[in-house]
Amino acid sequence: SYVLTQPPAVSVAPEKTARITCGGKNIGSRAVHWYQQKPGQAPLLVISYDGGRPSGIPDRFSGSNSGDTATLSISRVEGGDEADYYCQVWDASGDHPVFGGGTKLSVL
Amino acid sequence: QVQLQESGPGLVKASETLSLTCHVSGGSVSSGIYSWHWIRQSPGKGLEWIASVSHSRKTNYNPSLKGRLTIRVDTSRSQFSLEILSVTTADTAVYYCAAVLTGGDYFHYWGQGSPVTVAS
Repeated sequence: SYVLTQPPAVSVAPEKTARITCGGKNIGSRAVHWYQQKPGQAPLLVISYDGGRPSGIPDRFSGSNSGDTATLSISRVEGGDEADYYCQVWDASGDHPVFGGGTKLSVL
Repeated sequence: QVQLQESGPGLVKASETLSLTCHVSGGSVSSGIYSWHWIRQSPGKGLEWIASVSHSRKTNYNPSLKGRLTIRVDTSRSQFSLEILSVTTADTAVYYCAAVLTGGDYFHYWGQGSPVTVAS
């Protein structure tokens, strides 16, 4: 089964750029989606198909995907961005989604 | 805009069967536009996909849980459900229902989650 690897935690100062990685074998050939989850809430899609932003998501959120690493970038980080972030791809062979382990973003 | 709302028992005893329901509004559960999924999150842990069912009633299960799971669609009640047999404390989690656009590969809609505790 396909495995996605995320760092458990990332810390960033306010107004700086946070980068959260999602590693997987040749992940650049797959579509990667990113979710934000705040405590007690359901996940919220923030990036679709590597770099697309759903309606209502600030343009501070962006994504890229190449080789073995996909990256979620959050520029001009705010306290409200503190959350867990999960990457997700679709495993076509098993016809099911695969999630990364999640990264906790802390704003210093 | 599709809305999903889970309902569940809150507390279940070990070895019993856990039954969860997801009510779908704002769209038809049998329209073929979406596939319907269950995802869970154990305390302090990440997201784990459990099962899915398509509009054509095709089902798919997480291999690590297969044999204990049944997912169904009830079009008359506009809902889909999940049963987990012989639960243990490892099944304690928040259970989310979610929808994927047919042909797509990400979750468009999520329910708010139904917390379930398995008591030993």
